[in-house]
Amino acid sequence: QLQLQESGPRLVKPSETLSLTCTVSGGSISSTSYFWGWIRQPPGKGLEWIGSLYNIGSTYYSPSLKSRVTISVDTSKNQFSLKLTSVTAADTAVYYCASANWDDDYFDHWGQGTLVTVSS
Amino acid sequence: QTVVTQEPSFSVSPGGTVTLTCGLSSGSVSISYYPSWYQQTPGQAPRTLIYSTSTRSSGVPDRFSGSILGNKAALTITGAQADDEADYYCVLYMGSGIWVFGGGTKVTVL
Repeated sequence: QLQLQESGPRLVKPSETLSLTCTVSGGSISSTSYFWGWIRQPPGKGLEWIGSLYNIGSTYYSPSLKSRVTISVDTSKNQFSLKLTSVTAADTAVYYCASANWDDDYFDHWGQGTLVTVSS
Repeated sequence: QTVVTQEPSFSVSPGGTVTLTCGLSSGSVSISYYPSWYQQTPGQAPRTLIYSTSTRSSGVPDRFSGSILGNKAALTITGAQADDEADYYCVLYMGSGIWVFGGGTKVTVL
């Protein structure tokens, strides 16, 4: 059973870079059975897909965030990471990491989520 | 930009039936989009209910069912219970590693 856990700073200053890490247990980050993704939810609003990574090297990003997002992987630590540059208050959200089943293309395991606040 | 549409809210009586829909701003939803549905209660991470249009995730009660109705994906709750009160999100897979979430439907059971 896969388990995912987000970690990283909870407070980021405007114009700086938001960095989060997702640690995967119960399975390998190198597995080709999964995409590894990031989803966020601003307070009181809906869920938004940020981007995903597959087979270590292939990344896919939301068109609306593409210019500011990088998703990468650290196979030695079984982790994948999110970097979002030039943040503003609009980037304040709960950030979830999740695995997406490659066969059926759905999010099957979710982290608990972490609230990141952008404020000076 | 692709927009996935959902009703903002629905109210259902206990024991009643409600059908939520998931559409596209342009075009029809088909099984090729691998529609999936997620339930979220306040303060919790989303819970996967339905994937590949109509397959229930492990442990999901059979009062939840998924289908294609006309040009939309649909989630039907038959025999609604109080703990079905939640936000429900539809997600479509657009191919090439890209997903789009709908805006969510808030379901009230009263």
